[in-house]
Amino acid sequence: SAVISQKPSRDICQRGTSLTIQCQVDSQVTMMFWYRQQPGQSLTLIATANQGSEATYESGFVIDKFPISRPNLTFSTLTVSNMSPEDSSIYLCSVVDGSTEAFFGQGTRLTVV
Amino acid sequence: EDQVTQSPEALRLQEGESSSLNCSYTVSGLRGLFWYRQDPGKGPEFLFTLYSAGEEKEKERLKATLTKKESFLHITAPKPEDSATYLCAVRGAQKLVFGQGTRLTINP
Repeated sequence: SAVISQKPSRDICQRGTSLTIQCQVDSQVTMMFWYRQQPGQSLTLIATANQGSEATYESGFVIDKFPISRPNLTFSTLTVSNMSPEDSSIYLCSVVDGSTEAFFGQGTRLTVV
Repeated sequence: EDQVTQSPEALRLQEGESSSLNCSYTVSGLRGLFWYRQDPGKGPEFLFTLYSAGEEKEKERLKATLTKKESFLHITAPKPEDSATYLCAVRGAQKLVFGQGTRLTINP
């Protein structure tokens, strides 16, 4: 299975600022995804990061708030923009490496104060 | 719309006390049912994929089974290190849909 590294592992940010989360995979993967896990909740898909084109966002998530880049088949970033306390969550990068199984990074625990 | 419901929300067992976790689902065209383990502060760890009714998979003290409407994660003679949240997810036409998870605590 692919090894996924996410940075930072955690951060505390001031409201109104932005944070960029990085996801690096040790092999080329076809599909990369970004999820949010709010406190005590399950995982919600934010968007599919498409290599070489704009990300595909799920209902309730917009590009202005969560811009995503995917410059190649091993790397993606998610930015959480103009943060408010409601954005405090764990953000997770996920990949599907050719089979149907999805593998996850360790997550970024974000606290907005 | 694809949906996943897990029960119970939380389960507390004594070490060695076997039990089962339930995952009920509705999906258009099942392309896989997945079980994950999640420890506090960490990302989900992949456990099993099941594709068709009647399929079973085992790993150490865990066994996952699948019917057309639900999946069970059986845990046999659990140990304290099995304490975690267990997540079930289904893949239909496109995305993975997760259940709320079952928080399992094994007391020594």
